[in-house]
Amino acid sequence: QKEVEQNSGPLSVPEGAIASLNCTYSDRGSQSFFWYRQYSGKSPELIMFIYSNGDKEDGRFTAQLNKASQYVSLLIRDSQPSDSATYLCALIKAAGNKLTFGGGTRVLVKP
Amino acid sequence: GAVVSQHPSRVICKSGTSVKIECRSLDFQATTMFWYRQFPKQSLMLMATSNEGSKATYEQGVEKDKFLINHASLTLSTLTVTSAHPEDSSFYICSARPAQGVWGDEQFFGPGTRLTVL
Repeated sequence: QKEVEQNSGPLSVPEGAIASLNCTYSDRGSQSFFWYRQYSGKSPELIMFIYSNGDKEDGRFTAQLNKASQYVSLLIRDSQPSDSATYLCALIKAAGNKLTFGGGTRVLVKP
Repeated sequence: GAVVSQHPSRVICKSGTSVKIECRSLDFQATTMFWYRQFPKQSLMLMATSNEGSKATYEQGVEKDKFLINHASLTLSTLTVTSAHPEDSSFYICSARPAQGVWGDEQFFGPGTRLTVL
């Protein structure tokens, strides 16, 4: 089992719709969770981080964390063509400082 | 704030040469910097963790004698790919973790360096 698992996609979403991305992880002691967006040929950029169970909203993005079920999700509301990218889920394990990345989910927003 | 730069952004070299990549945190101090490699259509793979003033910690399978890392100051880390070969062609990305302040565990990524070895 991979430490961080994501559906590779592509996830095709109509413009204006909600894109829902999921990520599951195996290390129950993981403490910090991150969503990065990566455009082709570019480095990742941080969208959101979440440390506590529940929802965290930032603009059109909402991150959801459920430590009991070991999953973290990202919702993108009012999806725009510019949201077309690969979304990387990452975490830091307990007492660690390095990021462990999932394989990424490719999102395509169609006008 | 929290800007990380990398230089060069792109490099093409002949097989057998060495290439140095610089990673700088521009507006914060970073006690820890990380070096990643990303092959096409794959996710980022951590190569090593670099702490200021000490030896880097390499991930399993990464040759420390081939990928030399120096973290000489709180704002600069360098990665030198020695005797580069075509299979070393990849996208190399650094990240930096702020030493203190309002940031939690966040890491900020540089723009990456595209290395092509002929």
